[in-house]
Amino acid sequence: GNSVTQMEGPVTLSEEAFLTINCTYTATGYPSLFWYVQYPGEGLQLLLKATKADDKGSNKGFEATYRKETTSFHLEKGSVQVSDSAVYFCALRSNTGNQFYFGTGTSLTVIP
Amino acid sequence: NAGVTQTPKFQVLKTGQSMTLQCAQDMNHNSMYWYRQDPGMGLRLIYYSASEGTTDKGEVPNGYNVSRLNKREFSLRLESAAPSQTSVYFCASSLGLAEYNEQFFGPGTRLTVL
Repeated sequence: GNSVTQMEGPVTLSEEAFLTINCTYTATGYPSLFWYVQYPGEGLQLLLKATKADDKGSNKGFEATYRKETTSFHLEKGSVQVSDSAVYFCALRSNTGNQFYFGTGTSLTVIP
Repeated sequence: NAGVTQTPKFQVLKTGQSMTLQCAQDMNHNSMYWYRQDPGMGLRLIYYSASEGTTDKGEVPNGYNVSRLNKREFSLRLESAAPSQTSVYFCASSLGLAEYNEQFFGPGTRLTVL
């Protein structure tokens, strides 16, 4: 079946620190992979995506590379800001089904 | 473009009451979804509509019904609310079912059932 596992939080970092949030998946078929971000009191927003193996998605300084050999899609940012404080969700969508599958979310707090 | 809109933003119900959550999108998307978000459990799919005129159950459909009123609107109904349905409900839409189509989310409805 399809599932997403992401590192549990909460994660607390100082401003300008390096961020990694781990995400691994199991999937049938050939999935696309996504990272969504949720700011307090808001809905989810797409942060980045990758649609095939070895693709790198990037946006707002965040990056993630679709690694088929390790079934991973880890989110990274070189220097976090206070404004990056949010909950981050890894998700996949397989070409063999209609649904998205979300991880449980990782809460990030960046302190000045 | 407003994107995906949801009403109401907040609602408090008593056990046994009914209500309908409304969702509309103005992006001409074919597919629409209803999720609930509970602490520590991520998002769980309640129902989805692949295209106008079709609806299918997701992971947690019990206690809910949906209506795809037209291409723009997809409503979620609680016929007899229970405290276990206290949650934040999100509507989402996507252009279609292809695996590369991302979902766009509304701002959510916070529902409390007493």
